[in-house]
Amino acid sequence: RKEVEQDPGPFNVPEGATVAFNCTYSNSASQSFFWYRQDCRKEPKLLMSVYSSGNEDGRFTAQLNRASQYISLLIRDSKLSDSATYLCVVNSGGYQKVTFGTGTKLQVIP
Amino acid sequence: NAGVTQTPKFRVLKTGQSMTLLCAQDMNHEYMYWYRQDPGMGLRLIHYSVGEGTTAKGEVPDGYNVSRLKKQNFLLGLESAAPSQTSVYFCASSYSPPGGVYNEQFFGPGTRLTVL
Repeated sequence: RKEVEQDPGPFNVPEGATVAFNCTYSNSASQSFFWYRQDCRKEPKLLMSVYSSGNEDGRFTAQLNRASQYISLLIRDSKLSDSATYLCVVNSGGYQKVTFGTGTKLQVIP
Repeated sequence: NAGVTQTPKFRVLKTGQSMTLLCAQDMNHEYMYWYRQDPGMGLRLIHYSVGEGTTAKGEVPDGYNVSRLKKQNFLLGLESAAPSQTSVYFCASSYSPPGGVYNEQFFGPGTRLTVL
């Protein structure tokens, strides 16, 4: 099993839709979790950290489920500008234990 | 405030050639990283540095060397390029080490390297 797994998509959704991505991780000792956004041929940028209690930033909500070992990202009222690849990042302790998922591609359609 | 910059943006090498990729950051970050990104794979850590004068191996260090002579610069060298090193290389820096929920890595724009 991969350390971090994401559905590559693409997820094609109409503007205004709600879409959710999950990311599963294999190491139960994982300590911190993040969602990064990567536009085509650009660098990754931090979207949000994922806190144990869940957290929300505008239209974006991140959740952590330690029992089932996954994190989720919910995007409400999708915009065309949300089209990107969303990378899940899991840290299991230390510099060499920061694992990036392969990303989930989102395409928001007019 | 330029953030993280990388030089060059694109490069084509022949097998066996050498080159150095330069990363510079102006945020006074202690921690710097070199990653490679390949299709179907997540970013993989090549080398990292926890401060000026220090370097350490990441997940895929073979075929690469690094140096951090100045805090703001992190150089990645390929001594004898191979086609397997064709990839997109990203440099990143952070204020704090990985692990904390407040740790954010700031990435440079990437270098697209092709080795023929």
